[in-house]
Amino acid sequence: AQSVTQPDIHITVSEGASLELRCNYSYGATPYLFWYVQSPGQGLQLLLKYFSGDTLVQGIKGFEAEFKRSQSSFNLRKPSVHWSDAAEYFCAVGPMEYGNKLVFGAGTILRVKS
Amino acid sequence: EAGVAQSPRYKIIEKRQSVAFWCNPISGHATLYWYQQILGQGPKLLIQFQNNGVVDDSQLPKDRFSAERLKGVDSTLKIQPAKLEDSAVYLCASSRDLEQYFGPGTRLTVT
Repeated sequence: AQSVTQPDIHITVSEGASLELRCNYSYGATPYLFWYVQSPGQGLQLLLKYFSGDTLVQGIKGFEAEFKRSQSSFNLRKPSVHWSDAAEYFCAVGPMEYGNKLVFGAGTILRVKS
Repeated sequence: EAGVAQSPRYKIIEKRQSVAFWCNPISGHATLYWYQQILGQGPKLLIQFQNNGVVDDSQLPKDRFSAERLKGVDSTLKIQPAKLEDSAVYLCASSRDLEQYFGPGTRLTVT
């Protein structure tokens, strides 16, 4: 069965420091990959997505992610974190077996210290 | 364009009571999803509609949960009777293609 693993439950970084959030997936074919952000009391906002082509994708708010097929990974990065980036981040896979079902990881809570 | 609307935003009920959530998707989006997000977990798909037909309800606890999408637009998710473990945020999403847009969710607390 398809699955998504986000190994880090919590991450704390200093404002201005770089960030990398890890995501590994298990899926038989090339998946569609997504990163979403969720602020407290809010719904999920799409940061970026990978469907095909260039394995380095750019998203909103200065985020980027790199798809590495050999490692089954889709890690999210940001060169300089802002206090407003504090939120929970979810990686998701679209297996596309039928419909458009997304399978989410458990999330990583990002804390930003000043 | 307006986003996905959900109501109510918060609901507190006692176990064995019933509750209903409403979702209005983005105009023109044929596909509508209901997800359950339990605290500390990622969202889990409960049911997916394409227009007013069900595409996937394999993870919907059908003994207590039901959902409908009338006229292929708005949708209602119902729980009857509620259990303590149903405490969660219920997210509605809609899509026209591969990208899903999420509403703010309804936080349900079952006491």
